[in-house]
Amino acid sequence: ETGVTQSPTHLIKTRGQQVTLRCSSQSGHNTVSWYQQALGQGPQFIFQYYREEENGRGNFPPRFSGLQFPNYSSELNVNALELDDSALYLCASSLPETSTEAFFGQGTRLTVV
Amino acid sequence: QQQVKQSPQSLIVQKGGISIINCAYENTAFDYFPWYQQFPGKGPALLIAIRPDVSEKKEGRFTISFNKSAKQFSLHIMDSQPGDSATYFCAARPRGSTLGRLYFGRGTQLTVWP
Repeated sequence: ETGVTQSPTHLIKTRGQQVTLRCSSQSGHNTVSWYQQALGQGPQFIFQYYREEENGRGNFPPRFSGLQFPNYSSELNVNALELDDSALYLCASSLPETSTEAFFGQGTRLTVV
Repeated sequence: QQQVKQSPQSLIVQKGGISIINCAYENTAFDYFPWYQQFPGKGPALLIAIRPDVSEKKEGRFTISFNKSAKQFSLHIMDSQPGDSATYFCAARPRGSTLGRLYFGRGTQLTVWP
């Protein structure tokens, strides 16, 4: 186990709704990255938070937004859900000052119907 | 635009055989190349990683070969075992980027027959 926990594990939403996914980073890790993994594809970088500030963003529209809290846990919010948003959402935590490794959680499986 | 191209998409190997997965990249500004292993229902887990100033790195049965001039790198799994059956992803990180920002290949589903 990596110590990175995500909730919920599965979620079904209707098109047009909003969703919030949560990630609890490994103890002491100050950096959280979010990825979207469509079925049969590799993870795609959404954005990253470092010490509560967004620190890099991939090619995702503004309806994908996030937060990082003082305890370094993080949320991913997606507004106006579309069918193509159905995917496994992964978060990864890291402590860049001391390690080269990013640790992934088990993911949240989001289905949009 | 796929920054990292991975092949094959699927691979079937007999127990004890060698599994080889290849990746290629175009952006010469990548400076860190990890391989991840993912089991169904789990997140990716780091398997082994290499930096471009090294041509080969070995950890147990897993070896990365890196060809900087060809912009290619590959994962070799020696003495493949049924427990190695999983999806493998190569990835690359842009130089100067923070740790968590990785470009992943599309993945290779490896099946090792007993």
